[in-house]
Amino acid sequence: SAVISQKPSRDICQRGTSLTIQCQVDSQVTMMFWYRQQPGQSLTLIATANQGSEATYESGFVIDKFPISRPNLTFSTLTVSNMSPEDSSIYLCSVASAQETQYFGPGTRLLVL
Amino acid sequence: AQSVSQHNHHVILSEAASLELGCNYSYGGTVNLFWYVQYPGQHLQLLLKYFSGDPLVKGIKGFEAEFIKSKFSFNLRKPSVQWSDTAEYFCAVGRWETSGSRLTFGEGTQLTVNP
Repeated sequence: SAVISQKPSRDICQRGTSLTIQCQVDSQVTMMFWYRQQPGQSLTLIATANQGSEATYESGFVIDKFPISRPNLTFSTLTVSNMSPEDSSIYLCSVASAQETQYFGPGTRLLVL
Repeated sequence: AQSVSQHNHHVILSEAASLELGCNYSYGGTVNLFWYVQYPGQHLQLLLKYFSGDPLVKGIKGFEAEFIKSKFSFNLRKPSVQWSDTAEYFCAVGRWETSGSRLTFGEGTQLTVNP
């Protein structure tokens, strides 16, 4: 399986600010995804990061709040914009090739004060 | 809409006890099924998966799961748990669409194994 890293691993931010999370994988992958895991809850898919085109967002998530970039097949970023305490979560990226299994990164633990 | 339900949110067992975690999904089409595990302080790891073929699949660390299509279920089992199995377990269902794969996760089951 691919080796996935995320930066930062954790952060504490003030409300109204933005944070960009990076996801790097050690091999080219077809699919990259961003999930959110709120405290005590399961994982929810935010969007699919598409290389060379706009991300595909799930219901309830919008580009203005969660802009995503994917400049190549090994890297993606997720920005959490204009943060509020409700955005405190673990944000995870995952990768998959073709129709294979998704593998997850270590996550970014975000606390918004 | 597709949904995944895990019946037990917190299970407490003693070492050597048998384990079965329930997972049901609601989707009538072709699905791929997964169990992921998250050990304390670690990231999400794949435990096992079912794509096609033998409905009884074996994963790492002695875990297995059985896909019963008629019941829309994919229950996780282990005959004898160990203290090191203490973790959170997530069932997930994947559908492969033209827009790419999408995973829907269950609520998760926290397993505590007492020594």
